Amino acid sequence: GAVVSQHPSWVICKSGTSVKIECRSLDFQATTMFWYRQFPKQSLMLMATSNEGSKATYEQGVEKDKFLINHASLTLSTLTVTSAHPEDSSFYICSARDGGEREYEQFFGPGTRLTVL
Amino acid sequence: GEDVEQSLFLSVREGDSSVINCTYTDSSSTYLYWYKQEPGAGLQLLTYIFSNMDMKQDQRLTVLLNKKDKHLSLRIADTQTGDSAIYFCAEKLTGGGNKLTFGTGTQLKVEL
Repeated sequence: GAVVSQHPSWVICKSGTSVKIECRSLDFQATTMFWYRQFPKQSLMLMATSNEGSKATYEQGVEKDKFLINHASLTLSTLTVTSAHPEDSSFYICSARDGGEREYEQFFGPGTRLTVL
Repeated sequence: GEDVEQSLFLSVREGDSSVINCTYTDSSSTYLYWYKQEPGAGLQLLTYIFSNMDMKQDQRLTVLLNKKDKHLSLRIADTQTGDSAIYFCAEKLTGGGNKLTFGTGTQLKVEL
């Protein structure tokens, strides 16, 4: 149990386009989902926290108008990178928390590699 | 502050024990975690320890927590080539919501 999927697993896009990444909890209801980005050989940096049905909370320095997060249901959160630029190329990872008896755990998706040309 | 530091690289021989260390600065941790990341993949939770514990053992994994020194370690017994990966420690802070702060990651290489 506690599986989180991401789609797509990798995407290449042109500069200026928008890219949507989906994060789904497959066998539990995720009251909270998190979006991270990871640069090569670096740690994960939290971008934002999203709670179902409410606006996402962004970390300092993360542009909310550039990284749009929608958490419309208890099993799906989306991250849209708007007007992508090469510096947005990164590995984006989501995680989800089920709020139940495993509330101390976050379950991570496999990640999405974004390359902006 | 929320700095979590790890050594960058560790190399061990197959069958030996590996010890990966982590130091943190914020003493208000509630849970501390160890995650494993294989190349191009997401993070796999290996184990966690509640902040009022000193030690936790789970099969080949032993976690030691020294709250006084703000030091966390992960020992992997009988290290195998499949253990080669990047290991991240992470802390969840009191009053930090459910946010995790990750360490810098330690790349473990297991050699034959």
